[in-house]
Amino acid sequence: GQNIDQPTEMTATEGAIVQINCTYQTSGFNGLFWYQQHAGEAPTFLSYNVLDGLEEKGRFSSFLSRSKGYSYLLLKELQMKDSASYLCAVSRFSNDMRFGAGTRLTVKP
Amino acid sequence: DADVTQTPRNRITKTGKRIMLECSQTKGHDRMYWYRQDPGLGLRLIYYSFDVKDINKGEISDGYSVSRQAQAKFSLSLESAIPNQTALYFCATHPGTGGPGYGYTFGSGTRLTVV
Repeated sequence: GQNIDQPTEMTATEGAIVQINCTYQTSGFNGLFWYQQHAGEAPTFLSYNVLDGLEEKGRFSSFLSRSKGYSYLLLKELQMKDSASYLCAVSRFSNDMRFGAGTRLTVKP
Repeated sequence: DADVTQTPRNRITKTGKRIMLECSQTKGHDRMYWYRQDPGLGLRLIYYSFDVKDINKGEISDGYSVSRQAQAKFSLSLESAIPNQTALYFCATHPGTGGPGYGYTFGSGTRLTVV
């Protein structure tokens, strides 16, 4: 089986830092992805981790611990436009990607 | 023009009707996927295809069928629509190569309502 868990909702303040956690159990692992999805729109690719550690990409960073089945997405200097859902997804060996239910982030002024 | 185009964008259909959702892509990707998205459940994989002759069932294929007419086209059919198939449907593509870190490219989605 496969479980991917992330918080349902989070709220943060403009200019602050927020960390969105994701835990997973999977048979087969070919990497962990984060996607951003604004309401009513398609998900867009944010980041990818396959080795343990931190990957930084501008205001966004993603961390992976394979032994713990754990990842987080870190968003710095939050902007109002960062209000969206953030989807954690695990790619298995066959490249089919399984998604968590998503974390809806609300950024307040 | 969008790289991955889904038609229609919105559709209301009646229970028992057959309906087809279409996806076409200009990215030249070999791999294509159909997902449905429901509130609180996230994206769930319905079917995927790694090339024209390769079709695979995903987590929730019952009640659905697909056709890969060409590398660029992947259609999803609901044989006899039922209300619990009301959802947002996404098509996605992946090159299959270019490294495992290459994310999916999603279409804009089809919002389907079955009444």
